[in-house]
This record gives sequence, structure tokens and C-alpha cells, in this order.
Amino acid sequence: DAGVTQSPTHLIKTRGQQVTLRCSPKSGHDTVSWYQQALGQGPQFIFQYYEEEERQRGNFPDRFSGHQFPNYSSELNVNALLLGDSALYLCASSLFTGVQETQYFGPGTRLLVL
Amino acid sequence: GDSVTQMEGPVTLSEEAFLTINCTYTATGYPSLFWYVQYPGEGLQLLLKATKADDKGSNKGFEATYRKETTSFHLEKGSVQVSDSAVYFCALSDRGGADGLTFGKGTHLIIQP
Repeated sequence: DAGVTQSPTHLIKTRGQQVTLRCSPKSGHDTVSWYQQALGQGPQFIFQYYEEEERQRGNFPDRFSGHQFPNYSSELNVNALLLGDSALYLCASSLFTGVQETQYFGPGTRLLVL
Repeated sequence: GDSVTQMEGPVTLSEEAFLTINCTYTATGYPSLFWYVQYPGEGLQLLLKATKADDKGSNKGFEATYRKETTSFHLEKGSVQVSDSAVYFCALSDRGGADGLTFGKGTHLIIQP
């Protein structure tokens, strides 16, 4: 049973560039959530996708956008990168029930902005 | 808004010691509560969860009880091992986990042999 996978594992970008991160959910899951984890901090919720729509969004600027594909995989896009965007980006997947759900996390993509 | 407060780390214990990591929360409704663990260089793994008041989550010798009256979800283990060294995150989610998770800042646990 494949778990949540993310690519790439590491990425280095410069300020002002754009980046795309990818996530494949755990088999049987249809919902994908993205989180940003700064060094030494807990993860912060960015947004969640279900049925190819953004279902919920945390307190992140519009520079952060996403997409979900028909196979439930997802992308996180960040435009106009800032030094402060350097972090571990975590993807989590779950099965939508509307009642009780558990999110399972991937290993993350570590982004360094120079 | 929702928030989670955990005890500051690092917490350093000797092998076989008793562990408690405190976690309290603020939420508008009746959230589900979670403990996740993060080993060095890895993502988060679900350790245990509880979905309603007085529920006890347990896994791998770890336990936590959902205390609505004290808005707490403290993590405990009777005898820790070196392999338990990791960062532990308390988290909550409204709507039974369907919403985005709100995490605490994490507690770094170091177990010495």
C-alpha cells in the first residue's frame, strides 16, 4: 500500500522565482492538504483540495496556489518567492467522509530560497 | 481562532523513565485531537488520536486522554526508549479531522541510554 509521496525531495530557488511542488495521495484517498513547516516550528495549514476544488484555506497570501487533478494528485505553486518561504512543505492526504477523517503525511519537500 | 499550546522543549529523559508532554488547546467547537511524531529528516507520522471527550487514544505504549473540562490532551508513556527520541506535535481539527489541522510548536524529546 503506497503512502503519500512528494517530489522533489529538495529544491533550491532564488528570490522572485516560481516553484511547483507535487504530491500523490495515499491509495484510496481523495483529499489533499498542504502545510508549511518553518525550521523549529509546527506545520501551518495552507489549503485543502477535494474534488479538484479548494475546499478550505489557511492564512496564506495569494502567491500560494494549488491544483488537484482527476487522479487526486495535487500541486502547490508559489510565485514571487521570498526568503521567508524557505521551509519544509508537507502534503497530507485523507479520505473524505465529512465526519471523521485522519490525515496521513508525506516526507515533505525542503525548499531553500536564496 | 483555534490554537494549541505545548510544553517547551527539549525534554531530556533517561531510558525507562516516565514521559508526560503537556498539550492544551483552544477551539470554538468540539475538535478531534491528535498527536503526531516527526523523526529527524522525515515527515509526520500519526501516533494517536481521540475524537470526543473522555476518549483515550493509544499506540506503541503512548496514551493520551481527551479532557474537555481542562481542554487538555497530554501525551504519556510509562517507559521510554532511545528510539522514542523525536519531535512530538499536538494538533486539533474541527469537523472530526476534515478541516486543516492546527498544530502546536512541537516538543523535542531526547532519550539518553
